[in-house]
Amino acid sequence: EVQLEQSGAEVKKPGESLKISCKGSGYSFTSHWIGWVRQMPGKGLEWMGIIYPSDSTTKYRPSFQGHITISADKSINTAYLQWSSLQASDSAMYYCARGRSGLDYWGQGTLVTVSS
Amino acid sequence: EIVMTQSPGTLSVSPGESATLSCRASQSINGNLAWYQQKPGQAPRLLIYGASIRATGVPARFSGSGSGTEFTLSISSLQSEDFAVYYCHQYNNWDTFGQGTKLEIK
Repeated sequence: EVQLEQSGAEVKKPGESLKISCKGSGYSFTSHWIGWVRQMPGKGLEWMGIIYPSDSTTKYRPSFQGHITISADKSINTAYLQWSSLQASDSAMYYCARGRSGLDYWGQGTLVTVSS
Repeated sequence: EIVMTQSPGTLSVSPGESATLSCRASQSINGNLAWYQQKPGQAPRLLIYGASIRATGVPARFSGSGSGTEFTLSISSLQSEDFAVYYCHQYNNWDTFGQGTKLEIK
């Protein structure tokens, strides 16, 4: 069974760093792209960027470029989304999802709250 | 960036009836379109990809159509579990999502 297991909810202060994870199982992790999607409270879905774990090829939506880093460790079938300096506006639910032609499997989401 | 515009914002339909949701792209996306269903407190679920291909396990009452810039998700014989928010997603060029259509019980 294909599963994407995300790390737990986080509460951080503005300016702090954060790295959240997404562990894949039940399929060949290096053969499928992993994307990250943001959903702010009560709002729609926003595509942030994507990584191909086999060679770590990464693409970022221009509006997120420079503010986030997407990475992957194929030895442990895990993708990451990280911030070096969080802002209050980063408070949202973050989903990882598999695929490049439609996102066919999704993680359960990681809720990030940034508040002073 | 390709802008995806969904209409209507909210659609009120009675169970058993049919629903038609629309998605328009600001430029041609060559059929590289997916549809998702999201229920409160849950992750989105892939319904359709390639504009018209049902994902594994998706009931036949869901169908997708369209090409170029105009796309439609049709749901026939609405069941109680179909009332949710639906998003379109283009993956032709710098992926973007539509703003969503809320399908509510009339």
